[in-house]
Amino acid sequence: AQRVTQPEKLLSVFKGAPVELKCNYSYSGSPELFWYVQYSRQRLQLLLRHISRESIKGFTADLNKGETSFHLKKPFAQEEDSAMYYCALNTGGGNKLTFGTGTQLKVEL
Amino acid sequence: ETGVTQSPTHLIKTRGQQVTLRCSSQSGHNTVSWYQQALGQGPQFIFQYYREEENGRGNFPPRFSGLQFPNYSSELNVNALELDDSALYLCASSLGITGELFFGEGSRLTVL
Repeated sequence: AQRVTQPEKLLSVFKGAPVELKCNYSYSGSPELFWYVQYSRQRLQLLLRHISRESIKGFTADLNKGETSFHLKKPFAQEEDSAMYYCALNTGGGNKLTFGTGTQLKVEL
Repeated sequence: ETGVTQSPTHLIKTRGQQVTLRCSSQSGHNTVSWYQQALGQGPQFIFQYYREEENGRGNFPPRFSGLQFPNYSSELNVNALELDDSALYLCASSLGITGELFFGEGSRLTVL
C-alpha cells in the first residue's frame, strides 16, 4: 500500500539558514509527488509538483527513486516560509492523493 | 474568480446522526474531491466526483456518500455518525481529474 512519511513534526531554523523538509514514500508504481503548504489562517495550496521541476518561492524538490524520497529544500529560509508543509503522493492517476502527516516549519529571527 | 467555498464551517452532531456538508467549486472547475483531516494528521482521500459520477474512492465505508450537481457543486453525506468521524472535511476542486487542486477552508465536524 502507498505511504508517505514525514519524520519531523516540527522543524525550527533561523532566518537565512538552509531548510530541508524530509519526505519518503512507498509505492510500487511510478509516483507523482507534490508539496502542499498551509500558511497561518490560509487554506491548503499547492507549492510544487515534481513533474514541473520548477522552483517556487525559492523551494525545490527532487524525486529520488532510489531512496524513495522527495525532500523539499531552500538555501536561505525567510520568515514568511513559516507554515505547515505536506508531502503528497498521487497513486490513482486522478488526484487521489496520499498525504503525509505534515511538518511545521518555524523560521526564527 | 470565486474560490472554493464550503458550508457549514463548524457543526456539532451526536453519534448516530447524519450530516451533509456542501461545497461550491471554483469557477470553471468540473471536478470535486473530498478529504478528511483528523487532528494532527494529513488529509485523507474520501472520493472524487467528475461529471456527476464518482471517480475513485478511498478507504471509507459506504456510509460516506456524495453527490455532484450539474453546476459542479457537491455534497458529502455521512450516515450513522461515529466519534471517529470528528475531523476537518476539505473539499477541493480542479479542472479535470488531474488538474491542480484548489482547496476550501473546510467544515469542522465534531461528533459527541
